[in-house]
Amino acid sequence: QKEVEQNSGPLSVPEGAIASLNCTYSDRGSQSFFWYRQYSGKSPELIMFIYSNGDKEDGRFTAQLNKASQYVSLLIRDSQPSDSATYLCAVKEWKGGSEKLVFGKGTKLTVNP
Amino acid sequence: NAGVTQTPKFQVLKTGQSMTLQCAQDMNHNSMYWYRQDPGMGLRLIYYSASEGTTDKGEVPNGYNVSRLNKREFSLRLESAAPSQTSVYFCAMTSGGGTDTQYFGPGTRLTVL
Repeated sequence: QKEVEQNSGPLSVPEGAIASLNCTYSDRGSQSFFWYRQYSGKSPELIMFIYSNGDKEDGRFTAQLNKASQYVSLLIRDSQPSDSATYLCAVKEWKGGSEKLVFGKGTKLTVNP
Repeated sequence: NAGVTQTPKFQVLKTGQSMTLQCAQDMNHNSMYWYRQDPGMGLRLIYYSASEGTTDKGEVPNGYNVSRLNKREFSLRLESAAPSQTSVYFCAMTSGGGTDTQYFGPGTRLTVL
């Protein structure tokens, strides 16, 4: 079982600040990476995916991937109280011709008004 | 929840009782998954199915069985429920179109007394 590690938090930032969420993974051959957001009592929802080294931006969200360091991060600019949630990092794993995601345990983010 | 439905939403069982959690998708995708989520443990894969008629064990399959009789439905069965199976259960499917991202159902909150 490949491993995906995240700081459990909680991470607390003031409204308007940049929130930085980090994730490391153990399988150097991993190619696909995902960030999910999960509000309390709800199911995970996909925020972003990234496949190539570097940055990928989507609105206030930026995913960063460094395969050499086996590190993927999510930056949330101009954080809003509505961003308060648990953020899950996931890495795709191929095994026996089937794909599956390995999830980290998540980082709980609180954005304070 | 991107075309994934789960029933029931809530369930309380007594130890030793059996039940089946139902999951259905309306997007004609091949891969489907069952996860459980417990506090501090993140999402853990129970079983997955790459296509109709095929199933594979995930990280925590003990105490569960699954059935993928057609492309649309993937059910999870607890033959003899135990308190350790108290959890929130999520069904997910993988989209096609090159992104291969997973979309989750709304979840079933199960309590075993």
